[in-house]
Amino acid sequence: EPEVTQTPSHQVTQMGQEVILRCVPISNHLYFYWYRQILGQKVEFLVSFYNNEISEKSEIFDDQFSVERPDGSNFTLKIRSTKLEDSAMYFCASTKDLTGYYGYTFGSGTRLTVV
Amino acid sequence: GQSLEQPSEVTAVEGAIVQINCTYQTSGFYGLSWYQQHDGGAPTFLSYNALDGLEETGRFSSFLSRSDSYGYLLLQELQMKDSASYFCVPGGGNKLTFGTGTQLKVEL
Repeated sequence: EPEVTQTPSHQVTQMGQEVILRCVPISNHLYFYWYRQILGQKVEFLVSFYNNEISEKSEIFDDQFSVERPDGSNFTLKIRSTKLEDSAMYFCASTKDLTGYYGYTFGSGTRLTVV
Repeated sequence: GQSLEQPSEVTAVEGAIVQINCTYQTSGFYGLSWYQQHDGGAPTFLSYNALDGLEETGRFSSFLSRSDSYGYLLLQELQMKDSASYFCVPGGGNKLTFGTGTQLKVEL
């Protein structure tokens, strides 16, 4: 079964450093997402991406965040200057269309720890 | 805006049947999705109801009543591996907004 692949699985970074989280969505999917989940809290939407541009973003997704699809397969989330409160599990997701029938396929996540 | 109501926790025994209810209020409703998330894991898509009625997928069934803004997930022949959090998510559209979900504990 096709998978969404995320790397790395764990990342520890110092406060103020930049991190790039990487995702390879399912190849025939058109819509891509980043979500995060702080430990013990709910899954929160960050950003959606379609046709090489952001289609929607949440209040969390401020200027320190950016997304990119640098080639036909990768989808990245960059956090420019990490803060302690950015520590969370970051999930990439993709879906074929917006009907809902196919659901979102989530990657296994990147656990980001900012120290 | 959106509001979701699910029980925070449900406990059941292995082999039993459990129903997790969901009421929702949302603008621009397309349908209702259900996701499962094990501790430390990613959400996994279980089912989607666009129309009223019951959808069955193996041991899991999902029901929707659009007029009542109500749905449920029915899990049959519970197994220990079903212990997880379950989320009803008004779906379709450009993003999914997760609530706090229902933690299901399956006991021997």
